[in-house]
Amino acid sequence: DSGVTQTPKHLITATGQRVTLRCSPRSGDLSVYWYQQSLDQGLQFLIQYYNGEERAKGNILERFSAQQFPDLHSELNLSSLELGDSALYFCASSVGPGQGFGANVLTFGAGSRLTVL
Amino acid sequence: GENVEQHPSTLSVQEGDSAVIKCTYSDSASNYFPWYKQELGKGPQLIIDIRSNVGEKKDQRIAVTLNKTAKHFSLHITETQPEDSAVYFCAASKKAAGNKLTFGGGTRVLVKP
Repeated sequence: DSGVTQTPKHLITATGQRVTLRCSPRSGDLSVYWYQQSLDQGLQFLIQYYNGEERAKGNILERFSAQQFPDLHSELNLSSLELGDSALYFCASSVGPGQGFGANVLTFGAGSRLTVL
Repeated sequence: GENVEQHPSTLSVQEGDSAVIKCTYSDSASNYFPWYKQELGKGPQLIIDIRSNVGEKKDQRIAVTLNKTAKHFSLHITETQPEDSAVYFCAASKKAAGNKLTFGGGTRVLVKP
């Protein structure tokens, strides 16, 4: 158990729908990151929050949004879902604001598998 | 931005043999290179990392080497065991870019008993 908790583990929905993925970071970590892992695309960085504020943005679609709450948990909202959004969505956390060594080392959760039919 | 290429995409080795995975990066300012192991049904886990001021680092059966001039780094696994079967990802980051990690495409390693 990495200490990063993601729910739900699996989610099946239809095109056009909206889903919310939830992440609780490791105790003491202030940063939360969201990654998308598709079969042919590896790990794609979506967005990062640090202590409630958006810190960095990657290849996140406009249909997707995220936020980090005062208790530091984060939610990733995916709307107007398309077949191509089917993927594993990982949350990671770190103590610091970066994605590097020391306090910025990333710890990943087990992921949420989204299937869009 | 940074681009990280990883080879091979799949690697099959006999138990006890060595496995080598290679990555190249494009941004010479990158200064941190972690390796993650992803087992089936789990998230990636950091197994070893190296900073740009070090050429090699070892941890038991795994080692990472870095060639800054050529902009490539490699993961070496010796005496492979079935539990080494997993997908391995390399990544690179630099402080100037907020340390944003850019991942390679992954290598699926299969260790045959």
